[in-house]
Amino acid sequence: DAGVIQSPRHEVTEMGQEVTLRCKPISGHDYLFWYRQTMMRGLELLIYFNNNVPIDDSGMPEDRFSAKMPNASFSTLKIQPSEPRDSAVYFCASKRAMNTEAFFGQGTRLTVV
Amino acid sequence: AQSVAQPEDQVNVAEGNPLTVKCTYSVSGNPYLFWYVQYPNRGLQFLLKYITGDNLVKGSYGFEAEFNKSQTSFHLKKPSALVSDSALYFCAVRDPGGNNLFFGTGTRLTVIP
Repeated sequence: DAGVIQSPRHEVTEMGQEVTLRCKPISGHDYLFWYRQTMMRGLELLIYFNNNVPIDDSGMPEDRFSAKMPNASFSTLKIQPSEPRDSAVYFCASKRAMNTEAFFGQGTRLTVV
Repeated sequence: AQSVAQPEDQVNVAEGNPLTVKCTYSVSGNPYLFWYVQYPNRGLQFLLKYITGDNLVKGSYGFEAEFNKSQTSFHLKKPSALVSDSALYFCAVRDPGGNNLFFGTGTRLTVIP
């Protein structure tokens, strides 16, 4: 298995632009997570899905952030409009079942200028 | 509320010496504990987990961790450090009823040749 695949690896965009981050979870994994990593706040859960359904989005910072999972093999995290304070590394992770460990993608480093 | 604390931002150890990376946790009920490692520009890699059973858990790359309920600790250990072990290490806790992982702030391990 190729693991969790995220794209792009790096994204540089101007403030106000829309940004879409993509994730392909490991096949057969029922849970998908979006995390954000910054120096100031460490790793934070933004949202997670179970069987393509959003379960907990309490970590989504504000309405500018949205996430979708249209099918079991694809998820997107969208920021519109983007702001410089959104600059961070965004990780996608998936896991097979509730009591199993999560596997992380390599992350997308977002820079908003 | 669930949380973990990693009291040391930085740990330095000489190659060949034993290493310990500390973690304490706070959780209501039985804890589910994890250790992850992050190499530069990479995602988090799972090392080991404690769900139930033996207090000494063995994981990848020769790492192990000891669950201590009375001290609410889950320290990561390795008998003989390698230069290639240099990385950022994260402790995480999940409560039995949820799916979110609460990560510590991370400890940067440097193994000196």
